[in-house]
Amino acid sequence: SQQGEEDPQALSIQEGENATMNCSYKTSINNLQWYRQNSGRGLVHLILIRSNEREKHSGRLRVTLDTSKKSSSLLITASRAADTASYFCATREGYSTLTFGKGTMLLVSP
Amino acid sequence: KAGVTQTPRYLIKTRGQQVTLSCSPISGHRSVSWYQQTPGQGLQFLFEYFSETQRNKGNFPGRFSGRQFSNSRSEMNVSTLELGDSALYLCASSRQLTGGVNTEAFFGQGTRLTVV
Repeated sequence: SQQGEEDPQALSIQEGENATMNCSYKTSINNLQWYRQNSGRGLVHLILIRSNEREKHSGRLRVTLDTSKKSSSLLITASRAADTASYFCATREGYSTLTFGKGTMLLVSP
Repeated sequence: KAGVTQTPRYLIKTRGQQVTLSCSPISGHRSVSWYQQTPGQGLQFLFEYFSETQRNKGNFPGRFSGRQFSNSRSEMNVSTLELGDSALYLCASSRQLTGGVNTEAFFGQGTRLTVV
């Protein structure tokens, strides 16, 4: 079953613009993670934010977590064509299982 | 350090056949999880193994099974293949921190299974 749900389902922007994707989830979590997937390939881990953290940065990525609203957002600043991919949030409820949302398809045009 | 390796990368099978997929985790990672990805259902959790024991199982029929060996390598098997089993099968490995929580997952490139 899907735990995280990303919004929007698809996003099209120009290079240099910022891209914001949102994720909502349903139950209590240990941490929330964001992954990127280039077409038909494996997922690449981007960033992990723990349930007691509110914001985290990694390069051009900024993730926020609001546990009271059960939501998270991923901001990619100064997007590049190479950022074109699907982005998934995943929540870890217990010790091990990761549950993924359906993803946001991001298209960055030159 | 080598990443997660899945073999084979592509596979075409006929309905009714069975298939075995292999996953070698990152050295030192003892947790291996399997996911099925389809356009309609997205990423669905199949099962997770830790130290040769199945620790969690998703909502899939008994035709889907797996195992993990003492070197942490894992295999998953699908018997009596159906057309709907066509999907990208992804394997991920994780470290386990003190306290039992897994770290981030590192994924292989996947096995693309086509059932005809």
